[in-house]
Amino acid sequence: EPEVTQTPSHQVTQMGQEVILRCVPISNHLYFYWYRQILGQKVEFLVSFYNNEISEKSEIFDDQFSVERPDGSNFTLKIRSTKLEDSAMYFCASSERLGADNSPLHFGNGTRLTVT
Amino acid sequence: AQTVTQSQPEMSVQEAETVTLSCTYDTSESDYYLFWYKQPPSRQMILVIRQEAYKQQNATENRFSVNFQKAAKSFSLKISDSQLGDAAMYFCAYRSAFNNAGKSTFGDGTTLTVKP
Repeated sequence: EPEVTQTPSHQVTQMGQEVILRCVPISNHLYFYWYRQILGQKVEFLVSFYNNEISEKSEIFDDQFSVERPDGSNFTLKIRSTKLEDSAMYFCASSERLGADNSPLHFGNGTRLTVT
Repeated sequence: AQTVTQSQPEMSVQEAETVTLSCTYDTSESDYYLFWYKQPPSRQMILVIRQEAYKQQNATENRFSVNFQKAAKSFSLKISDSQLGDAAMYFCAYRSAFNNAGKSTFGDGTTLTVKP
């Protein structure tokens, strides 16, 4: 079964550094998302992306964050200048389209970001 | 804005017994999707079951079933014949049917322990 893949599985970075989290969504999916989960807490929406542009973003997704789909397969989340509070598990997800059987999110395994 | 509430931070069940996890939501929309996701210790988010709001019939997937009460805005998950592998955090999620690229809103999660 096709999967969403994320790399790296764990990223450690120093405060103020830039990080890029990478995702390869399922190939025939059209909608792409980033969510984050601070350890033991709820899953929070960051951003959705469709047709090469941001569709919706949350308050968390401020100017420090950006997303790109540079080559038609990868979907990246960049954090320009990381803060301690950015430490979390970041999940990429994709979905095919809304419809009777095609609305659920398919999640990757996540990237654990640790900012020191 | 939609909200999702899971009132049980933790639940436990004896192996082979049945357990019900609660979820309520608030929305002014008439059509939407509801989901239960499972997050085992491996941290991957796995779809357990989904329900379309326009369908009266409760969804069932093997040992997992839901009790969807649209008027009460309630969407509980029943796990029958619980197995040790069911131990995980369970998240209830809501997604609008009107926004193709819209976010899913998650509850705070319920940690399920299965006792042998």
